[in-house]
Amino acid sequence: DQQVKQNSPSLSVQEGRISILNCDYTNSMFDYFLWYKKYPAEGPTFLISISSIKDKNEDGRFTVFLNKSAKHLSLHIVPSQPGDSAVYFCAALKYNNNDMRFGAGTRLTVKP
Amino acid sequence: NAGVTQTPKFQVLKTGQSMTLQCAQDMNHEYMSWYRQDPGMGLRLIHYSVGAGITDQGEVPNGYNVSRSTTEDFPLRLLSAAPSQTSVYFCASSYSRRDSTDTQYFGPGTRLTVL
Repeated sequence: DQQVKQNSPSLSVQEGRISILNCDYTNSMFDYFLWYKKYPAEGPTFLISISSIKDKNEDGRFTVFLNKSAKHLSLHIVPSQPGDSAVYFCAALKYNNNDMRFGAGTRLTVKP
Repeated sequence: NAGVTQTPKFQVLKTGQSMTLQCAQDMNHEYMSWYRQDPGMGLRLIHYSVGAGITDQGEVPNGYNVSRSTTEDFPLRLLSAAPSQTSVYFCASSYSRRDSTDTQYFGPGTRLTVL
């Protein structure tokens, strides 16, 4: 069963605009959420995370929002840049549990 | 630091063959893990280790063995390869042995095809 879902396989935005990537989860026991970015032929790299005790976390152009009641999180990239073009994975886990679950990924294309 | 290294980058096997995917890290990380990535499935945890001599199963462990004799190395063994094991395999490591919220660093991956 897919406990973490990214329902949009792809997203295309114009340079300078906002990119919004969405992620839904079904397991209410998850209490830590992460976003990873992946370029072709490379491993994923950590981007930003959020604990369930927060509803927002910012790091430069990247902001993650968490809506626990809806079991939904989103990643906002403002402003989007062509170098942001990559596959973005949402992941979730429980503290002190090593079983991290990933979504299927969303391919973001930022057009110049 | 080389970070997390994986060998080989590509491998083609015939059904029933065995092989070992190598993973090494030079960051003195205690936690290491193996994932497989399949189209439409994201990454799924195969096995992990919280320190030398300690390993445990993840979400999809069947058909794979691991061992952790040193802090640096965490090889993944396929005992009898099957076409269902065609995938891209990623090794990852992080500092913490108790809390996997610690940032994980991923290797570049091994693309395995089983015919």
